[in-house]
Amino acid sequence: SYVLTQPPSVSVAPGQTARITCGGNNIGSKDVHWYQQRPGQAPVLVIFYNSDRPSGIPERFSGSNSGNTATLTISRVEAGHEADYYCQVWDSSSDHYVFGSGTKVTVL
Amino acid sequence: EVQLVESGGGLVQPGGSLRLSCVASGFTFSRYWMSWVRQAPGKGLEWVANIRRDGIEKYSVDSVKGRFTISRDNAKNSVDLQMNSLRAEDTAVYYCARVSWELGGGFDYWGQGTQVTVSS
Repeated sequence: SYVLTQPPSVSVAPGQTARITCGGNNIGSKDVHWYQQRPGQAPVLVIFYNSDRPSGIPERFSGSNSGNTATLTISRVEAGHEADYYCQVWDSSSDHYVFGSGTKVTVL
Repeated sequence: EVQLVESGGGLVQPGGSLRLSCVASGFTFSRYWMSWVRQAPGKGLEWVANIRRDGIEKYSVDSVKGRFTISRDNAKNSVDLQMNSLRAEDTAVYYCARVSWELGGGFDYWGQGTQVTVSS
């Protein structure tokens, strides 16, 4: 089955840039989606189609996808960005959705 | 306003059954695939099952095949998850989510979740 690998945690100072990676075999050939989940809340879609933002998601959130790594970037990080972030793909070979293991972003 | 409201969770003994329900409002339900996603305590998200707009095409994660069944009633704007032969490892918050193919298959709306606890 397809596996998505994320770092367990990323720490960043306020005002700096957070980059969260999502590794998978030839993930660049797939559409990657990213979700933000704050404690005790349901996930929120922040990036779809690798780099597009749903309505209402600020431009601070951006994404890229190439080769074996997709990346979610959060610019000018602030305390409100502390959350868990998950990547997701549809694996057509198994007809399964797959989520990454999640990355906890901590603002120092 | 799009809303997804789950119900049916609770405490059940191993080997028991539960039926979760998700009622949708604020959009044309029959035009969207729907999905169930779960999250075990302190763990990450796990996709459970999907169902096509007409209810005919369905997919599910291997760990629930033969035990869980997803279904929908477009007349009632609802999607259900029938869970049989429950195990301790099925303990999780279960979320209902809308699949948006306009957004590449991302899940653009989620319910607040319903807790399922499997324990003796």
